[in-house]
Amino acid sequence: AQKVTQAQTEISVVEKEDVTLDCVYETRDTTYYLFWYKQPPSGELVFLIRRNSFDEQNEISGRYSWNFQKSTSSFNFTITASQVVDSAVYFCALSEAGGTSYGKLTFGQGTILTVHP
Amino acid sequence: KAGVTQTPRYLIKTRGQQVTLSCSPISGHRSVSWYQQTPGQGLQFLFEYFSETQRNKGNFPGRFSGRQFSNSRSEMNVSTLELGDSALYLCASSLAPTGQATEAFFGQGTRLTVV
Repeated sequence: AQKVTQAQTEISVVEKEDVTLDCVYETRDTTYYLFWYKQPPSGELVFLIRRNSFDEQNEISGRYSWNFQKSTSSFNFTITASQVVDSAVYFCALSEAGGTSYGKLTFGQGTILTVHP
Repeated sequence: KAGVTQTPRYLIKTRGQQVTLSCSPISGHRSVSWYQQTPGQGLQFLFEYFSETQRNKGNFPGRFSGRQFSNSRSEMNVSTLELGDSALYLCASSLAPTGQATEAFFGQGTRLTVV
């Protein structure tokens, strides 16, 4: 069965600090997809990135970067030079390509990030 | 391009009543999935519909049901409401079921309070 663990429940930083959100996943499938979502106070989950299991290239998008390592089953997310607007709950999620996981995202418990001015 | 629209945004119901929540997906998206979010259990998958067919269902009692219409709009229904059903219900749409190399886009959710 698939599982996603976000060990950090809450993180508090001061603006301009770098912060890394950890995500560890478990799956028996060889084909799967990993996601990061941001949930601001308004409630909707905002899609940030999708990675498939065959692509271990790290990705950078502005101040955001993602480090995918199959050897450690991790998909960590780093925000560089954090800003107050980055304050939100961040979720890591896993989707397997088939079988009983069809159409289903399995989420971690989320990490509450607070960036202080 | 309009995003995922969920109505209503807020609901207050009494124990024992039933409720229907609505979700309009992004135009062209054929897959709609529903999630329940609570402080204790986090985000949990309820069910997924693709082309009017339920393809997968999470571990929820039969009081939770849903359907999808030919225009891809979806509704979920909860009967005989219990206090524990109080939650944020999120709907997501995607071109194909998530896990088919497509990302899911979420609505703002319906906040259901059962009193």
